Amino acid sequence: AQSVTQLDSQVPVFEEAPVELRCNYSSSVSVYLFWYVQYPNQGLQLLLKYLSGSTLVKGINGFEAEFNKSQTSFHLRKPSVHISDTAEYFCAVTPRSNFGNEKLTFGTGTRLTIIP
Amino acid sequence: SAVISQKPSRDICQRGTSLTIQCQVDSQVTMMFWYRQQPGQSLTLIATANQGSEATYESGFVIDKFPISRPNLTFSTLTVSNMSPEDSSIYLCSVPRGQVYGYTFGSGTRLTVV
Repeated sequence: AQSVTQLDSQVPVFEEAPVELRCNYSSSVSVYLFWYVQYPNQGLQLLLKYLSGSTLVKGINGFEAEFNKSQTSFHLRKPSVHISDTAEYFCAVTPRSNFGNEKLTFGTGTRLTIIP
Repeated sequence: SAVISQKPSRDICQRGTSLTIQCQVDSQVTMMFWYRQQPGQSLTLIATANQGSEATYESGFVIDKFPISRPNLTFSTLTVSNMSPEDSSIYLCSVPRGQVYGYTFGSGTRLTVV
């Protein structure tokens, strides 16, 4: 079984400041990792994912994340945030070996609020 | 990436009634997942719908309350039966789209039970 912990439920950040949203996971098997964003009153949109290879992955809207296997972390970062980044962010994992046939396990989410 | 059309986008229902949510995918997929997102919370899997077989429900969810239909590889429905205010949530369908696109989600159905 897998579990995902997002350490911060709410993160307020001033516009143009950097931000890091933290995600740690636990799993007995190798996993793929994802970050999704949910804008108000919308569904989930994939920001980025880690499958293999370089541990630094870049996604849409200027976001990037770094996979750290030893710390079982997959923190999301952006060097300069904008008002439009205000949203809920979810970290999720799924087993590598059975991709597509198993669910995503989500963290509890982090609400990012950008302060003008 | 696949496009998923989910309907309705929102509804307000009386307690004791049922609502059927539809998801239409623009290409064939084997697995479809139904999630619930209670207010202010994360997503919890309700069930997995595999075309041609009975849906598999997660602990805490039962077929009588959340019957699922999966008549073909592009379509599925989730019914929320005998609703109570505790069923007020966002319901989302999701399909796997390979390693390139990950999992794609419908836009969600925001249900309010009064």
